[in-house]
Amino acid sequence: TQLLEQSPQFLSIQEGENLTVYCNSSSVFSSLQWYRQEPGEGPVLLVTVVTGGEVKKLKRLTFQFGDARKDSSLHITAAQPGDTGLYLCAGAASGGSNYKLTFGKGTLLTVNP
Amino acid sequence: DTAVSQTPKYLVTQMGNDKSIKCEQNLGHDTMYWYKQDSKKFLKIMFSYNNKELIINETVPNRFSPKSPDKAHLNLHINSLELGDSAVYFCASSPTTDTQYFGPGTRLTVL
Repeated sequence: TQLLEQSPQFLSIQEGENLTVYCNSSSVFSSLQWYRQEPGEGPVLLVTVVTGGEVKKLKRLTFQFGDARKDSSLHITAAQPGDTGLYLCAGAASGGSNYKLTFGKGTLLTVNP
Repeated sequence: DTAVSQTPKYLVTQMGNDKSIKCEQNLGHDTMYWYKQDSKKFLKIMFSYNNKELIINETVPNRFSPKSPDKAHLNLHINSLELGDSAVYFCASSPTTDTQYFGPGTRLTVL
């Protein structure tokens, strides 16, 4: 069974601060995705990283896939209240089942004005 | 236009009842999923169908039975509801494993 450990579980910061969320596993993933979920809604895909060492930027969000494709990080610069939400990482199995994502337990981010 | 829709949004019922949740996607995707999100926000896959064929069946009680009448629809029927079934159930669809589009969720409360 592939497991993804996310940390921290909760994060409460002030507007303007930077933060990093981590997603770690002992398993190799063919790709890793980050989703954001707002209250009362389903998760929405932010980014997919595929290549080991890959870095993707989405405005103030920077996503990195580890060289060994076992871990990933999400860094937010100058966080804003609109960034508040549940951030979920999800790994796609490397080989084997091609249709299954394993989700981390999520990081609940609160950005206070 | 709604991509993945679920009905109902909220479902409150008594223990022992049987209930169904419906899901429809208009994205033309071949693969659909049911996930359960518990009170701690952990999202766990339950079932996946590809072109109406069951391809993932995680360790889920037999009281849960998915049905896919066509590749745009995936319904979830739950028999003999228990307190522990209370959760938010999400339907999702995907063209490949790399991008999943989630519905708005159905909050099930079993009293």
